[in-house]
Amino acid sequence: QKEVEQNSGPLSVPEGAIASLNCTYSDRVSQSFFWYRQYSGKSPELIMSIYSNGDKEDGRFTAQLNKASQYVSLLIRDSQPSDSATYLCASLRDILTGGGNKLTFGTGTQLKVEL
Amino acid sequence: DAGVIQSPRHEVTEMGQEVTLRCKPISGHDYLFWYRQTMMRGLELLIYFNNNVPIDDSGMPEDRFSAKMPNASFSTLKIQPSEPRDSAVYFCASSRGLAGTYEQYFGPGTRLTVT
Repeated sequence: QKEVEQNSGPLSVPEGAIASLNCTYSDRVSQSFFWYRQYSGKSPELIMSIYSNGDKEDGRFTAQLNKASQYVSLLIRDSQPSDSATYLCASLRDILTGGGNKLTFGTGTQLKVEL
Repeated sequence: DAGVIQSPRHEVTEMGQEVTLRCKPISGHDYLFWYRQTMMRGLELLIYFNNNVPIDDSGMPEDRFSAKMPNASFSTLKIQPSEPRDSAVYFCASSRGLAGTYEQYFGPGTRLTVT
């Protein structure tokens, strides 16, 4: 079992719809979670971080974390064609739990927002 | 504030040659990471440093790979001798290791092609 799992997609949504990206993780000790957006041929760009259970909103993006279910999600409201990219989920075990500062990445979900 | 800087952006070399990739982290960041990304294997952590000291090199594929960080503003990843299977995009990332953050920021990457 991979430590961080994502559906590779592609996930296709119409412009203006809500895109829902999901991620599960196997390491119960993971404390922090991150969503990166990666356009084709570009580097990963951090768009959201979440550290505690519940929802965290930033503009059109909402990250959701449920540690009991080991589940992280990213919602993109009012999806735009410019949101078309690969979204990478990552987990971190911090120093206090013996993980140093290493991120474990999923393989990413490709999102396509169609006109 | 300048982001993570990498050079060169593209490198094409012949099998057997030495390749050196360079990285300048964000000023004030005390962690530096080297990643490799391929279609087959996704984003892999090769090695990371904390305060210029290598902490975990378990991701370095073999002895042909080496990394150094002589000071807080410069790191190199060297491949000697290079092989076609080393062809990938190599990313450098940096972060501040403050509790509750650990957000990593990526450089633009170096696309390496070994023929």
